[in-house]
Amino acid sequence: QSVLTQPPSVSGAPGQRVTISCTGSSSNIGAFYDVHWYQQFPGTAPKLLIYGNINRPSGVPDRFSGSKSGTSASLAITGLQAEDEAHYYCQSYDSSLSGLVFGGGTKLTVL
Amino acid sequence: EVQLVESGGGLIQPGGSLRLSCAASGFTVSNNYMSWVRQAPGKGLEWVSVIYSGGSKYYADSVKGRFTISRDNSKNTLYLQMNSLRAEDTAVYYCARAFSQLEPTLSFDYWGQGSLVTVSS
Repeated sequence: QSVLTQPPSVSGAPGQRVTISCTGSSSNIGAFYDVHWYQQFPGTAPKLLIYGNINRPSGVPDRFSGSKSGTSASLAITGLQAEDEAHYYCQSYDSSLSGLVFGGGTKLTVL
Repeated sequence: EVQLVESGGGLIQPGGSLRLSCAASGFTVSNNYMSWVRQAPGKGLEWVSVIYSGGSKYYADSVKGRFTISRDNSKNTLYLQMNSLRAEDTAVYYCARAFSQLEPTLSFDYWGQGSLVTVSS
């Protein structure tokens, strides 16, 4: 069981907006540690999508955005495209575990 | 161009040892924070270990005392020595470079292609 909780799956039609939540606790997200997001396609390595809660690395479309509030963070994808169908993972640091932690991952299906 | 290429994976019996290598190009391993992240078949990502540019090393509880992260500056290569392997260590192991050195919540911008380690008798 992951320290950071994500919904196993979300779905949306092309053009729609979807959000993926990442719920933590007072020892990770709630302790003001940054949250990062990754996108992973089957059989490939993860790709950094959002870092430092809200920042996009160069080359990541502005359709992807991140936010954080309290003990939770969210990834929003607007103008959903078929190519966005992938697994998405949040990541932070946990002071109780003294280590980096990932969410369990969310599979995004584009209908 | 930044590249990370893992090697050393394979089939190993429970209790055995294996060393993974991650050869880097396009940047200097010793000047960066480097990590290992694993992914069991059909499962999510799990952080394994990190080595800071200054040499500090940290491990997930699940591998502490069994795994050792290290680097060879002359070869610009990162290693993961894995001892006392268990079935639950079966996974694809990725090496990754930290995007910045803002401890402790590192993010990773470059990843290798992964190396599969299968622990089974």
